Amino acid sequence: QVHLVQSGAEVKKPGASVKVPCKVFGYTFTDYYIHWVRQAPGQGLEWMGWINLNTGRTHYVQNLQGRVTMTGDTSTATAYLDLSRLTSDDTAMYFCAKEAPDTSQLGKPMDFDFWGQGALVTVSS
Amino acid sequence: DIQMTQSPSSLSASVGDRVTITCRASQAIRNYLAWYQQKPGNAPRRLIHAASSLQSGVPSRFSGSGSGTEFTLTISSLQPEDSATYYCLQHNIYPYTFGQGTKLEIK
Repeated sequence: QVHLVQSGAEVKKPGASVKVPCKVFGYTFTDYYIHWVRQAPGQGLEWMGWINLNTGRTHYVQNLQGRVTMTGDTSTATAYLDLSRLTSDDTAMYFCAKEAPDTSQLGKPMDFDFWGQGALVTVSS
Repeated sequence: DIQMTQSPSSLSASVGDRVTITCRASQAIRNYLAWYQQKPGNAPRRLIHAASSLQSGVPSRFSGSGSGTEFTLTISSLQPEDSATYYCLQHNIYPYTFGQGTKLEIK
């Protein structure tokens, strides 16, 4: 059974960095991309990018380039989101999400079939 | 970036009603459109993928249609547990973009 497990909450000061883990269960870790999506309090969903856990290749949304790093540890089946130089605008729930299978096998960009429960990051002085 | 515009932003309907939510893309996205349901304090849940394919385990009262730039999510007979916020997602072109959400309330 597929599960993505995220830890609870972090409080960080402005200018600090945060590393958010996402441990996966129930499938081969390197078979599917992991995407990251965030949601500011009371707001909508914002896609942040993905990591190919087989090759380590990443793709980030342009407005986070330079501050975001996505990595994966195959020994523990855990994906990580690193976000640096935090500001209050980064206060949000951070979700990891598993990319769905592309049944056409044409290499199409796919949406997400399973999500972690989210990790709340609060940036406050 | 592709803009996804959902309408309405919110609606209130009664149990048993037929409800339709629309998502319009600022450019054609083929059928690379998914719908998610999110309840307070929870992660989003996939309802529909490839614009019209029902996710396994999702009640058949949910359906999706559309292609190109206009898409709809329909709930054929609203149930109390359908109270939630609904989001569309385009995954045709990077960056992926979500609609702003439709908050559905049960009268």
